[in-house]
Amino acid sequence: ETGVTQSPTHLIKTRGQQVTLRCSSQSGHNTVSWYQQALGQGPQFIFQYYREEENGRGNFPPRFSGLQFPNYSSELNVNALELDDSALYLCASSSRQSYTEAFFGQGTRLTVV
Amino acid sequence: TQLLEQSPQFLSIQEGENLTVYCNSSSVFSSLQWYRQEPGEGPVLLVTVVTGGEVKKLKRLTFQFGDARKDSSLHITAAQPGDTGLYLCAVPSSGTYKYIFGTGTRLKVLA
Repeated sequence: ETGVTQSPTHLIKTRGQQVTLRCSSQSGHNTVSWYQQALGQGPQFIFQYYREEENGRGNFPPRFSGLQFPNYSSELNVNALELDDSALYLCASSSRQSYTEAFFGQGTRLTVV
Repeated sequence: TQLLEQSPQFLSIQEGENLTVYCNSSSVFSSLQWYRQEPGEGPVLLVTVVTGGEVKKLKRLTFQFGDARKDSSLHITAAQPGDTGLYLCAVPSSGTYKYIFGTGTRLKVLA
């Protein structure tokens, strides 16, 4: 067990709705990254947060946004959901001192209908 | 263009067989990680390799980083049904703190 927890584990939303996913990072880790994993593919980087600020972003539209809190936990928000947003959303925590290793949560399976 | 190409994409073998999966790129990396992911779960870190030519063993799994640090292999000896899963290689993106994942190898070990 990595110590990274995500909630909820499963979620069904309707196209056009908004969703918030949550992640608690591993103790001692100050960096949180979010990934989207479509079925049958490897995870794709969405963005990363360090000290409550966005620290890099992948090729995702602005309707994907996030937050990091003082306790290093994080949220991923997606507005105006589209069918293609259906995926496993993964949160990974790491520390700046050892950024070469990231530990993933179990993910949130989002289905958009 | 995919930065990390993994092969084979799918592999189905009988319990007890040996197998090797590959992670290839034309770029040089400072380090490379291997993860295993089971259905409905997040990826679990298996190993990190950082030195060209490095070999690491984890029970029946042997990981090797290429001499030029452009590729890596994962060899499993006497595969067991518990080895079933998606094997992903990943590298830190140069100048950033994000990880780039390979396409993955989906392994199924039949009892």
